[in-house]
Amino acid sequence: AQKITQTQPGMFVQEKEAVTLDCTYDTSDPSYGLFWYKQPSSGEMIFLIYQGSYDQQNATEGRYSLNFQKARKSANLVISASQLGDSAMYFCAMREGVGYGNKLVFGAGTILRVKS
Amino acid sequence: DTGVSQNPRHKITKRGQNVTFRCDPISEHNRLYWYRQTLGQGPEFLTYFQNEAQLEKSRLLSDRFSAERPKGSFSTLEIQRTEQGDSAMYLCASSLGYFMRFQETQYFGPGTRLLVL
Repeated sequence: AQKITQTQPGMFVQEKEAVTLDCTYDTSDPSYGLFWYKQPSSGEMIFLIYQGSYDQQNATEGRYSLNFQKARKSANLVISASQLGDSAMYFCAMREGVGYGNKLVFGAGTILRVKS
Repeated sequence: DTGVSQNPRHKITKRGQNVTFRCDPISEHNRLYWYRQTLGQGPEFLTYFQNEAQLEKSRLLSDRFSAERPKGSFSTLEIQRTEQGDSAMYLCASSLGYFMRFQETQYFGPGTRLLVL
């Protein structure tokens, strides 16, 4: 079974508007972390935002915020005031547990295109 | 530049040749990860080091793949007898992690793109 599901292969957004990228996850571990990364065409994965399973509040980092709905097992990324430079591939990832072996499991990604 | 670096950035090789990639993590990071990313997919975990110890290997890591991290600093990933199916982006990431640390963020390098002809 897929542990991370990103159902939107591609999204378009008008410059300066907000956009939401969907992510659902599947785990039975009570301790987990959710991450969003941005991958421009250059290939480097850029860390954007983190949400821990025990965090009481939704994470925010500048223009990025995470809409964390634990009961629904969703962790959607919201980008406010989109910029042309936001055009990239976006990946949701999960780390299960807090012991050793903290590998990330990634979704298939969503391509975001910002239109001027 | 204090980020994760990888060399080479691009590698073209012929089927059957051996290739080696290098990753230099962020200096204070004790954990180092290798991932493989094929076109249109998210990265997949290959292996992970805590300091110099290789603690986990994915079943994706066949016996043609070997990774080392001597002295707990840089790491190398070697692929022997390359096959066309090995063509992918190989990503390295590092983190500062310890048992029960919840927010362990992995920072990625620019990757090495491998093309096997």
